[in-house]
Amino acid sequence: DVVMTQTPVSMSVSLGGQVSISCRSSQSLVHNNGNTYLSWYIQKPSQSPQLLIYKVSNRFSGISDRFSGSGSGTDFTLKISRVEPDDLGVYYCGQGTQYPYTFGAGTKLELK
Amino acid sequence: EVQLVETGGGLVQPGRSLKLSCVASGFTFNNYWMSWTRQAPGKGLEWVASITNSGGSTYYPDSVKGRFTISRDNAQNTLYLQMNSLRSEDTATYYCTKAPRGYFDYWGQGVMVTVSS
Repeated sequence: DVVMTQTPVSMSVSLGGQVSISCRSSQSLVHNNGNTYLSWYIQKPSQSPQLLIYKVSNRFSGISDRFSGSGSGTDFTLKISRVEPDDLGVYYCGQGTQYPYTFGAGTKLELK
Repeated sequence: EVQLVETGGGLVQPGRSLKLSCVASGFTFNNYWMSWTRQAPGKGLEWVASITNSGGSTYYPDSVKGRFTISRDNAQNTLYLQMNSLRSEDTATYYCTKAPRGYFDYWGQGVMVTVSS
């Protein structure tokens, strides 16, 4: 199985600040079809997860351009700029290149 | 607006069965793969099952293979998860997800399944 390793486990940020979350996979996430199925989700307190980014760097419908995804192969990053109160929660990366689909353990974003 | 509404959760004894349903609306159901993903209390996300848009192929992780069955009724815009031989480690909130290839773009509100004697 592909192991997804997220760092840090938690982080504190000031409103208006910028954060980066790292996600590393134990195997390349490049699919045979050339796509890289790495996605990012946020789970706000007491809510279902929501898709932010798919295929490494594509923002989902309605997602602010303050969120950006980058990376390739096994090394990926989610950046959040100008952090707002609604950005707080747990962020997960996930891979859909190889079965079984797997997720990172999550990064909790809290206010400083 | 895409909506996914799960039902069927509850308390069940180990070894028993339970069937979850998810009614979908707001998109052309039979055009999309669908999946179930779960989250144990206080834990992270775990993919549970996926099904192609036609229902012709299904996929599972080893943790549920042979015990869980995903299916769909495209005429009723409904996704199902039949869970047999339930174990305490299956206790989780189960989310119905719309699943274009390789990711999950819409999630239901979730339904809680508790396996306990």
